[in-house]
Formats: sequence, structure tokens, C-alpha cells
Amino acid sequence: GAGVSQSPRYKVAKRGQDVALRCDPISGHVSLFWYQQALGQGPEFLTYFQNEAQLDKSGLPSDRFFAERPEGSVSTLKIQRTQQEDSAVYLCASSGHREEGQKLFFGSGTQLSVL
Amino acid sequence: SQQGEEDPQALSIQEGENATMNCSYKTSINNLQWYRQNSGRGLVHLILIRSNEREKHSGRLRVTLDTSKKSSSLLITASRAADTASYFCAPRRRPGGGADGLTFGKGTHLIIQP
Repeated sequence: GAGVSQSPRYKVAKRGQDVALRCDPISGHVSLFWYQQALGQGPEFLTYFQNEAQLDKSGLPSDRFFAERPEGSVSTLKIQRTQQEDSAVYLCASSGHREEGQKLFFGSGTQLSVL
Repeated sequence: SQQGEEDPQALSIQEGENATMNCSYKTSINNLQWYRQNSGRGLVHLILIRSNEREKHSGRLRVTLDTSKKSSSLLITASRAADTASYFCAPRRRPGGGADGLTFGKGTHLIIQP
């Protein structure tokens, strides 16, 4: 596709439910990032993939958060036993080869509301 | 921390005026990037300035970088209603991509009054 695609656009979950958020990066982009953005705040780094390898997951707030990118393309961010504090916009970004890799291309995000 | 801090946190100006926002950071950098985020959307890359550059232009955007003061500024000239958005700076230590992902501050929330 032309850009980074995220689905669903909106997700409402009851507290305790598991959710899965999907990210389709720009074709051929090696690097993929997940960010969490609370209302009125800047995006907070969660995790980073280079191809299928998860090289940095230092930003994941708890072991309820899990991300994967098994074939080095599409990525899924899973949140188990959701809590109200998980309510936020989850942004995915990708970047390409070395020169273009300086900048990130973002999707529109998934807005998660946990009731 | 590599995170940049934007100032002011909020800025409201009249359409047609110029808008200036600033960014300060703490580490040495390879480059610094500015992003815009419209309400309900993802971030969009605006401009990248390298550590050996002092000023860069792109359309109505002008970015300056002062590595001795660890600061950058973004100037938007002849502002338009469509410029209403949040603006984030992102200093980057290393060249290229990789695990040195971008970190963001709280941003400057710019409102252009018609």
C-alpha cells in the first residue's frame, strides 16, 4: 500500500478482555515501531522490530503487552487482560533503507478505549 | 534522554501570522526531525536537519539548529487554518534507522485563528 495501515481504527474493550491491533507497514520497510499516545501527550516508544526480530521491547509497560512480526512484514500488538490505563492511541510507524531510514512513516493509529 | 522538549506547549495566533516553536534536547545528535500531527491522525514528517546544518527551508517552513545550545526552532510563515496541529521535534543520536528510534516530547499545540 501507499502508506502504513492500522486496524481497527477504533476498538472498545471491556476491562479484562484481550485485544489485538494490526499494523501493515509500507512494503519493503525493514524497521517497524509501536508507540502509545495518551490524550494530550506525545507518542511513547513501546517496541521496535528489524524485519522479524524484536530488537527492543524496553517500552512495553507490562508483560500483558506482546508484539510480534513473524514474517517481517505485518505486525500485531496484543494486550492481554486490558485495564483502563491501557486506553490510548496506539501508533505504528515504519522506516525503510538507510537514507530514508532517517524518518518514520506513521499510520493513523488505533484508538483503544477500555471500559 | 534523547527526547526533545518543545516550547511553548500551546500557541494561538491569527491566520497569516508567523508561528515559531522551539525545541531543546540534551544529547549530541546526528540529526533532528520535526513532525506534525493533526487531530486524530498519525505523525507526518516535515523536515530533517543534520547536525552540520544550521538552517533549512521547505516551503513555508524554516528550521534552525544550534548544536552549541542544543536547540532548534521551527518557523511557519504566513500561517493557515490547516496548520492547526501539534508539532513535535525528535532529536536522533545515530544516523540511519535501527533501534535508536525516535522519542517525542509533549509537543507544541498550535491553533490558527481564522
